[in-house]
Amino acid sequence: GNSVTQMEGPVTLSEEAFLTINCTYTATGYPSLFWYVQYPGEGLQLLLKATKADDKGSNKGFEATYRKETTSFHLEKGSVQVSDSAVYFCARLGGAGGTSYGKLTFGQGTILTVHP
Amino acid sequence: SAVISQKPSRDICQRGTSLTIQCQVDSQVTMMFWYRQQPGQSLTLIATANQGSEATYESGFVIDKFPISRPNLTFSTLTVSNMSPEDSSIYLCSVGGQKETQYFGPGTRLLVL
Repeated sequence: GNSVTQMEGPVTLSEEAFLTINCTYTATGYPSLFWYVQYPGEGLQLLLKATKADDKGSNKGFEATYRKETTSFHLEKGSVQVSDSAVYFCARLGGAGGTSYGKLTFGQGTILTVHP
Repeated sequence: SAVISQKPSRDICQRGTSLTIQCQVDSQVTMMFWYRQQPGQSLTLIATANQGSEATYESGFVIDKFPISRPNLTFSTLTVSNMSPEDSSIYLCSVGGQKETQYFGPGTRLLVL
């Protein structure tokens, strides 16, 4: 079945450090890929997305590139801020032709803490 | 993107009781989804709620425990029935078509004592 695997956390960084959170997905079909962020005490917010191979999603300084050859969608940011402290979820949207059509499958989430 | 609200935002309930969670969207949408996020865990899809038809439940979730209503294209409810402490979670609704980005409500934080 469809699955998404994220690097294990928690991740702790100093302000202005470089961030990478790894995400890989199962290669069934041609899924759309997403990163969602959950700030403390809040719901999920869409951070960025990519719908086909080689697409790059970007928002708020975060980037992720849809790599079909490595089935990856790693999240990166060049210089993190304290306000980026949150839980980050990678997700895939099931494509046509399977029982997961239209359904989101989430990774386990990565807790990011950024210190001043 | 759609604006989604949920009620209540949080609740503390006694075991054996039931709670109905409401999800309201500011525009008409075809598909609405209900997710559960257990403490420290990721999100798990409970069911898909389509207007005019029965909800479709994922493996491990049943209608008797989580009855869902979808009376129109802007509203849905999820009931958590006969609650136990294991039902303590955040319950989130989301909206989105089968090829579209899903947007989430703020969640309902439920604690069962």
